[in-house]
Amino acid sequence: GAVVSQHPSRVICKSGTSVKIECRSLDFQATTMFWYRQFPKQSLMLMATSNEGSKATYEQGVEKDKFLINHASLTLSTLTVTSAHPEDSSFYICSGSSEQTQYFGPGTRLLVL
Amino acid sequence: EDQVTQSPEALRLQEGESSSLNCSYTVSGLRGLFWYRQDPGKGPEFLFTLYSAGEEKEKERLKATLTKKESFLHITAPKPEDSATYLCAVQADFNKFYFGSGTKLNVKP
Repeated sequence: GAVVSQHPSRVICKSGTSVKIECRSLDFQATTMFWYRQFPKQSLMLMATSNEGSKATYEQGVEKDKFLINHASLTLSTLTVTSAHPEDSSFYICSGSSEQTQYFGPGTRLLVL
Repeated sequence: EDQVTQSPEALRLQEGESSSLNCSYTVSGLRGLFWYRQDPGKGPEFLFTLYSAGEEKEKERLKATLTKKESFLHITAPKPEDSATYLCAVQADFNKFYFGSGTKLNVKP
């Protein structure tokens, strides 16, 4: 139980384009979803927390206009990286919260050329 | 200041050599402490949740314990497939989660 999927698993895009990453909780309802990014050999860095049906709460230093988060249902949250630049290249991981435990997706590797 | 510190940063063990990973924390209002395993290029895999001091949980060769200041992840007779980065996270008041930087475990055959 408590499975989270992400799509796509890998994406390569040109600088200036937008990329959407989907995060789905497959067998539970996640009232809260979290988005993280992870740089090589570093731990998870929380970007934002989203609750179903309300605006996401962004961590300090994360541009909300650049990283658009939508949590339209209890099983789906999306992260859109707008006008992507090479420095946005990273490993993006989402998680869904169920009974106080976070369950993570497999991650999305984004490469911006 | 709320924070989570894991040690050591890296640990090399021979197969069968038992050891422990440490996670120390200072947070206000501990709601839960979580252990995860992360393999390269993958998302963290949930292992354990501990809620109160004195609590212990086991899964195969892993055993997690919790005190008021720290948690230990004991690995008994590890195998090469136990090699991974082990992450500790703490949930505090207001649904805030704090992650440690992880311990990279390498078990040699």
